[in-house]
Amino acid sequence: GAVVSQHPSWVICKSGTSVKIECRSLDFQATTMFWYRQFPKQSLMLMATSNEGSKATYEQGVEKDKFLINHASLTLSTLTVTSAHPEDSSFYICSAPDRQRDKETQYFGPGTRLLVL
Amino acid sequence: AQSVAQPEDQVNVAEGNPLTVKCTYSVSGNPYLFWYVQYPNRGLQFLLKYITGDNLVKGSYGFEAEFNKSQTSFHLKKPSALVSDSALYFCAVRDSNAGNNRKLIWGLGTSLAVNP
Repeated sequence: GAVVSQHPSWVICKSGTSVKIECRSLDFQATTMFWYRQFPKQSLMLMATSNEGSKATYEQGVEKDKFLINHASLTLSTLTVTSAHPEDSSFYICSAPDRQRDKETQYFGPGTRLLVL
Repeated sequence: AQSVAQPEDQVNVAEGNPLTVKCTYSVSGNPYLFWYVQYPNRGLQFLLKYITGDNLVKGSYGFEAEFNKSQTSFHLKKPSALVSDSALYFCAVRDSNAGNNRKLIWGLGTSLAVNP
């Protein structure tokens, strides 16, 4: 299957700082990537759909100025948590479909655990 | 409204026994159905999907699922469970009428515990 990586795998930061998380498709081009957050023992919550070369589409209730998404190339999308606060602590996961191989299946990154102190 | 239900928060099964993880869905059009597995502190791994064709779908690690249109279900099954199957399982659906919007609707997950 297609491979998606995330960096960093975990990060600890102080309240008020910004944190950037990278999502890369390693062996395919991804015009669309999805960003999720997951709380402990809970389901995935879709935050936004990242579109290469255009603005991201945010889900209702997700602050676009808080969670900045940039999809500048066909293999990289970034999520920046601006002015992070403890309530932003979570597990962030990205996914992308490989439209050349299988447009319907989403392939997931390993996730990034963020802890804001 | 589109939705996915996984009625069991947790399923416990003895190693070697068959396992079933339940999923029901609601969409307006034809469903595209998926199962993913998540191991602790990891991302999700794709197990199998139903798009069209045979109702019985076989996937990774010996798992299979049966699409039942009349019951709007897509239960995940395995004939003989392994301890290593212990993980969190997610069912997801996409409405085929949604066009290019590939956003998935997710169930809340079922924690599977296989006891040795």
